[in-house]
Amino acid sequence: QLQLQESGPGLVKPSETLSLTCTVSGGSIISSSYFWVWIRQPPGKGLEWIATISYSGTPYYNPSLKGRVTISVDTSKNQFSLSLTSVTAADTAVYYCARYSYKPTNWFDPWGQGSLVTVSS
Amino acid sequence: QSALTQPASVSGSPGQSITISCTGSSSDVGGYNYVSWYQQHPGKAPKLIIFDVSQRPSGISYRFSGSKSGNTASLTISGLQAEDEADYHCCSYADITTLFGGGTRLTVL
Repeated sequence: QLQLQESGPGLVKPSETLSLTCTVSGGSIISSSYFWVWIRQPPGKGLEWIATISYSGTPYYNPSLKGRVTISVDTSKNQFSLSLTSVTAADTAVYYCARYSYKPTNWFDPWGQGSLVTVSS
Repeated sequence: QSALTQPASVSGSPGQSITISCTGSSSDVGGYNYVSWYQQHPGKAPKLIIFDVSQRPSGISYRFSGSKSGNTASLTISGLQAEDEADYHCCSYADITTLFGGGTRLTVL
């Protein structure tokens, strides 16, 4: 079945750029039915949607993070990536990637296992 | 837009039923039939249990059900079991964005 796996540094210094990659296995990232997303969860807090991308590369961003976030896709590697610039301690979180169905049904499934990123000097 | 509002915690005894509310606005929960719910055990990734307000994915127990009235969605778990103890997150499509609730910790007494 479809599986997603996040990868990237677990520690990022303040003001630097956080970069994560999600590798999709068990299926193709090229699909007109689904999109691909990043969602994060600060320690002990709720979930926050960060960004969405289609296989063709059309991005959608959370307005609260727009300007610092870039999402991209590499169909040749069956991967999509997240870049978050000028990070602060508030960006410390577990970052999840997931598949997204927009219409006619709306859901996130499956999710990757999550990647903890700590922002600290 | 603000996050959706959920109670921080709920509890119930085995066999009982509990309901978790998720309150938004006419721009999100009330405006679309695109509310989903996710179960999250400690240290694990969220798992889809309800989508499109009241639909259950394949493999999810009938004990989980969802509904919506106005700007408030609800998740009901009947016949509580020890394995249901987890965090539950609601989620709503909101046009240009997607909103989550703060999460509700369910304790099975």
